[in-house]
Amino acid sequence: KQEVTQIPAALSVPEGENLVLNCSFTDSAIYNLQWFRQDPGKGLTSLLLIQSSQREQTSGRLNASLDKSSGRSTLYIAASQPGDSATYLCAVRQAGGTSYGKLTFGQGTILTVHP
Amino acid sequence: GAGVSQTPSNKVTEKGKYVELRCDPISGHTALYWYRQSLGQGPEFLIYFQGTGAADDSGLPNDRFFAVRPEGSVSTLKIQRTERGDSAVYLCASSLTTSGGFRQETQYFGPGTRLLVL
Repeated sequence: KQEVTQIPAALSVPEGENLVLNCSFTDSAIYNLQWFRQDPGKGLTSLLLIQSSQREQTSGRLNASLDKSSGRSTLYIAASQPGDSATYLCAVRQAGGTSYGKLTFGQGTILTVHP
Repeated sequence: GAGVSQTPSNKVTEKGKYVELRCDPISGHTALYWYRQSLGQGPEFLIYFQGTGAADDSGLPNDRFFAVRPEGSVSTLKIQRTERGDSAVYLCASSLTTSGGFRQETQYFGPGTRLLVL
């Protein structure tokens, strides 16, 4: 059974800092990995999706890397802003089988960027 | 365009009652997913539809939970004989399909239905 763990559980940084969020997964047979953002009381917004054959994806100030063999992904946020404050969730989709559309999520990292 | 919508946004019910939660996916999205999120946790998968059929219902916790998508668009999650442990936020997501890259595979989430069982 796939298990996804995110470290740290919470992070508080001053505005302008670069930061790294970590995600690890136990079963390396994944189809893709996604990073989501969740604001309080709201649904999830997809930030980046990395296919299993890819090493990284970039969008603006966000960069996500994937090391499938070691079961790890990192989300790098450059020059953090107060508007980046949210919960960040990592999710993996397994390759093949009947769990074709299913995502397995980590518990999230609560990020606070203070001015 | 319109995103995924869910109704009601909040539902309070008594233990033992029956509830229905509705999800309207993005128009044209063939894949639809239900997840459940408890406080401080990530979402947990419940069921996935491809078109009208449930392609994977392995996440439904027991036979009190049932979901339908009769015309391949709107879906309803039904919970019978609700228990206090069913209290959570129920999230629905849809995607264009399940392969083909970021645009096709990305799951778009609704705001959720917050269910409280007293």
